[in-house]
Amino acid sequence: DADVTQTPRNRITKTGKRIMLECSQTKGHDRMYWYRQDPGLGLRLIYYSFDVKDINKGEISDGYSVSRQAQAKFSLSLESAIPNQTALYFCATSPGGLEQPQHFGDGTRLSIL
Amino acid sequence: RKEVEQDPGPFNVPEGATVAFNCTYSNSASQSFFWYRQDCRKEPKLLMSVYSSGNEDGRFTAQLNRASQYISLLIRDSKLSDSATYLCVVNGPSNFGNEKLTFGTGTRLTIIP
Repeated sequence: DADVTQTPRNRITKTGKRIMLECSQTKGHDRMYWYRQDPGLGLRLIYYSFDVKDINKGEISDGYSVSRQAQAKFSLSLESAIPNQTALYFCATSPGGLEQPQHFGDGTRLSIL
Repeated sequence: RKEVEQDPGPFNVPEGATVAFNCTYSNSASQSFFWYRQDCRKEPKLLMSVYSSGNEDGRFTAQLNRASQYISLLIRDSKLSDSATYLCVVNGPSNFGNEKLTFGTGTRLTIIP
């Protein structure tokens, strides 16, 4: 079983719809992150959370919101999806500390028509 | 200037050859460094951390030059399975706190039989 699980893996939806992407982890890490990846742009940070009571905006948070329901769960919502939010979305976890890498989920491929 | 810059490639290299990638970073306060590997449409996976003294893991060698702010990855005796995109990742202070991973856009490598 994957340590970091994202659902759904693929989603096609229409402009204006509300969408939730979910992430759960069994690694016991406190820190969780949401990124999006677009061709030629690399991964960009949307939101991150260092513990259940801590939520922080990343570099491209507009149009997104998050919820940290538990240490193991971190969900990303698009309240009213628009086509330029079409991208590959990744959740990641980390135990914290500058020397620690992040561990990624399998990704969610989201298409907004 | 991008925070982390990589030559996008593609690098097309015959099997068994040695290939090297470089990556430069702009923030001199960056504190930790990683190479990730990403297969097409898959999640990034940690290949190796990069330490100040340089480090080796099998056929892979990573070097860090803090004075010139660049990181390198050397792959010896390349295998077909090494075909992937290699992401240079830097962790350090940013507007989002003391820890933030900044990703390069990746260098695409194809090993030719």
